[in-house]
Amino acid sequence: KQEVTQIPAALSVPEGENLVLNCSFTDSAIYNLQWFRQDPGKGLTSLLLIQSSQREQTSGRLNASLDKSSGRSTLYIAASQPGDSATYLCAVKAAGNKLTFGGGTRVLVKP
Amino acid sequence: ETGVTQSPTHLIKTRGQQVTLRCSSQSGHNTVSWYQQALGQGPQFIFQYYREEENGRGNFPPRFSGLQFPNYSSELNVNALELDDSALYLCASSLGGRDEQFFGPGTRLTVL
Repeated sequence: KQEVTQIPAALSVPEGENLVLNCSFTDSAIYNLQWFRQDPGKGLTSLLLIQSSQREQTSGRLNASLDKSSGRSTLYIAASQPGDSATYLCAVKAAGNKLTFGGGTRVLVKP
Repeated sequence: ETGVTQSPTHLIKTRGQQVTLRCSSQSGHNTVSWYQQALGQGPQFIFQYYREEENGRGNFPPRFSGLQFPNYSSELNVNALELDDSALYLCASSLGGRDEQFFGPGTRLTVL
């Protein structure tokens, strides 16, 4: 059974600092891994999708890496801003076509 | 291009009642998945529909059921509501089962 873990559960940084969010999964037989952002009480916004054959994806200040063999992904957010405050969720897709989510990392960027 | 929409936004029901939640997929998407997100937790997969057929189910009891229509819109029905059913219900659409999923804003269900 696939399990996804995100550590830490919460993170507080001063504005301008780089953010590093970690995601680990137990079964390396995945199709892809997706990072999402969720604002309080809202739906999920897809940030980056990494296919199982890829090592990383980049979009603006965001960079996500994937190491399938070790079951890890890292989301980097450069030069954080107060607007980056949100909960970040990672999810893996494997057999059954369902997304298995981690519990999320709640980020606060202080001005 | 229209994104994924869900209705209603909020809903309050009492224990034992039945509820229907609705989702309109993103244009051109033939697959819809439903997730339940309890407060402070990550979403949990309920089931997926592909071209009107159930295409995978998570660890949810049969009182959670769904439908997908020819226009690929979808419904989630929950019978005999329990207090623990209180959650944010998210639907997501995709071009196929393995493709990137795009999420709607969710329906907040409160069971009293």
